[in-house]
Amino acid sequence: NAGVTQTPKFRVLKTGQSMTLLCAQDMNHEYMYWYRQDPGMGLRLIHYSVGEGTTAKGEVPDGYNVSRLKKQNFLLGLESAAPSQTSVYFCASNPNPGALRTFGSGTRLTVV
Amino acid sequence: AQSVAQPEDQVNVAEGNPLTVKCTYSVSGNPYLFWYVQYPNRGLQFLLKYITGDNLVKGSYGFEAEFNKSQTSFHLKKPSALVSDSALYFCAVESGNTGKLIFGQGTTLQVKP
Repeated sequence: NAGVTQTPKFRVLKTGQSMTLLCAQDMNHEYMYWYRQDPGMGLRLIHYSVGEGTTAKGEVPDGYNVSRLKKQNFLLGLESAAPSQTSVYFCASNPNPGALRTFGSGTRLTVV
Repeated sequence: AQSVAQPEDQVNVAEGNPLTVKCTYSVSGNPYLFWYVQYPNRGLQFLLKYITGDNLVKGSYGFEAEFNKSQTSFHLKKPSALVSDSALYFCAVESGNTGKLIFGQGTTLQVKP
């Protein structure tokens, strides 16, 4: 089925380790987003992209980097993981502003 | 700057009663407004959106929302709640062509039989 696929679904990291979360969409959407969800705080925008080769900062970008080398993929990197980055991460995409976003099923990351 | 407020952490209603989940927003320009629902250990599901036009928007599962520009509100409503409506509800706002969708902190809806 067409949609947004996130890998991995679960991961446990030690403090200081690095990792990359992959988001892939097959709907030819221009816009892609990374959010983190924490209890009582809703979803907060980390970074987003308005097209291939572009990235922009969201509300909480510190400690994360992103890349959009291919239109269908949006990678979220943690260079040196911290316990404060324990969260559920959601990727989303849409074709243009105001259009319905399609969300991935989430990645649950625990940093110990 | 864009912001969304959901003033209630939790709303409790009895099955069959009407429900309201409140949302107010702050944004420059014309807002795009959304409601999403999240069931435990699941992703977000779209309920409804307001872009322009009729202030009363009808969405999935019998939900509706009323856009009130003067009060900068977009409250979610349903005439008769079901136990299966129990979930976490998020209001979100997007300003113009920014592409940035900002979420409220969420409201847990508990419908009791």
